[in-house]
Amino acid sequence: EDQVTQSPEALRLQEGESSSLNCSYTVSGLRGLFWYRQDPGKGPEFLFTLYSAGEEKEKERLKATLTKKESFLHITAPKPEDSATYLCAANSGNTPLVFGKGTRLSVIA
Amino acid sequence: GAVVSQHPSWVICKSGTSVKIECRSLDFQATTMFWYRQFPKQSLMLMATSNEGSKATYEQGVEKDKFLINHASLTLSTLTVTSAHPEDSSFYICSASPLFLESSYNEQFFGPGTRLTVL
Repeated sequence: EDQVTQSPEALRLQEGESSSLNCSYTVSGLRGLFWYRQDPGKGPEFLFTLYSAGEEKEKERLKATLTKKESFLHITAPKPEDSATYLCAANSGNTPLVFGKGTRLSVIA
Repeated sequence: GAVVSQHPSWVICKSGTSVKIECRSLDFQATTMFWYRQFPKQSLMLMATSNEGSKATYEQGVEKDKFLINHASLTLSTLTVTSAHPEDSSFYICSASPLFLESSYNEQFFGPGTRLTVL
């Protein structure tokens, strides 16, 4: 059974304090690893798709990386507006995305 | 690009009534749309996969007769919660995958969600 596990469940950072969120996956034949950001009371906002180990993608203060077993979302010098829940999801082809439970990030000014 | 809208954004109804939620892809066509449910501080739970022109595929434990899904066109899917009860109160979110992608199960773009409260 495909599984996605995110850690930590919650993370509290001071503004400017860089850190990483982890997404471990057990998916047979990974076709895509996705990162989303979700603000309270809103739908997830697409951030990145990673397709193969070694791939990296960046957007502003965020960088996503992928290995054969896990993905990391690196946050460099975060700001309070980066506070949100970050969701990771994996796909193994013609099956629905499997989501992790998310990491709730709080960035304190 | 890749914008998905939902209507209404919130709804309050009495127990026993039915509620319809619309999901539209505004700037792309989607043969497949997905309906999720999310409880507070929990992740997304897939309810069903909606395919244009055919019956929806429901996840295990989701009642087909209670959550009616219609995918009338390549840009519109609707979820009707029939005979709603307080336990159906939740945040309902749809997503859609652009037609041009190789697989409908790849990148999905989500709507803003609909908050349903059943009194």
